[in-house]
Amino acid sequence: QMQLQQSGPGLLKPSQTLSLTCAISGDNVSSNRATWNWIRQSPSRGLEWLGWTYYRSKWYNGSAEFVKTRIVIYPDTSKNQVSLLLNSVTPDDTALYFCARGEPRALGDWGPGTLVTVSS
Amino acid sequence: ENVLTQSPGTLSLSPGERAVLSCRASQRVSNSNLAWYQQKPGQAPRLLVYGAVNRVTGVPDRFSGSASGTDFTLTISRLEPEDFALYFCHQYGSASFTFGQGTKLEIK
Repeated sequence: QMQLQQSGPGLLKPSQTLSLTCAISGDNVSSNRATWNWIRQSPSRGLEWLGWTYYRSKWYNGSAEFVKTRIVIYPDTSKNQVSLLLNSVTPDDTALYFCARGEPRALGDWGPGTLVTVSS
Repeated sequence: ENVLTQSPGTLSLSPGERAVLSCRASQRVSNSNLAWYQQKPGQAPRLLVYGAVNRVTGVPDRFSGSASGTDFTLTISRLEPEDFALYFCHQYGSASFTFGQGTKLEIK
């Protein structure tokens, strides 16, 4: 059974780097069918897709324009997990962050979410 | 960016009634790459429909999706108490995915 378990700090100060990890069970991060996505949700902006990584004979990744200069999404094949780094955070980055598995694009499995608050 | 506009923002209906939720895209959605999700308080979204019309295994057949050009619809034929929730559409046809702002389906 597919499960995604998220971990990472929930409180950051402005200018710090957000770091979240999504541990995968029930599938392999190197699957040729799946994609691994990060999405966030806030009352003011709703659901926002942040980016993805996936393996198709080699690794690919992509991100939304509004975060592409600040974001890194990368796999760890030894731990079967995918991680999100978002640098130079501001209070606008306060949100509930989800990892999700795409099949390959519709998001069929989601992590439970991590509430991240950015405050001085 | 392909902006998705959902309507209505809130839909108040009674159990047993039919619900029609709309999602309009600002640009063509390639290959009908549109999905619908249900979200309940404190939970992650749950995929209901993908490819605009394909119901996920295990989703009750009272849920159905349809498409006409840039207009997409999720219909719930007879509302059950557990269907009252937030619903989102999501397009994944372009390089950057976008979501609608959601329709809240509430008990009248």
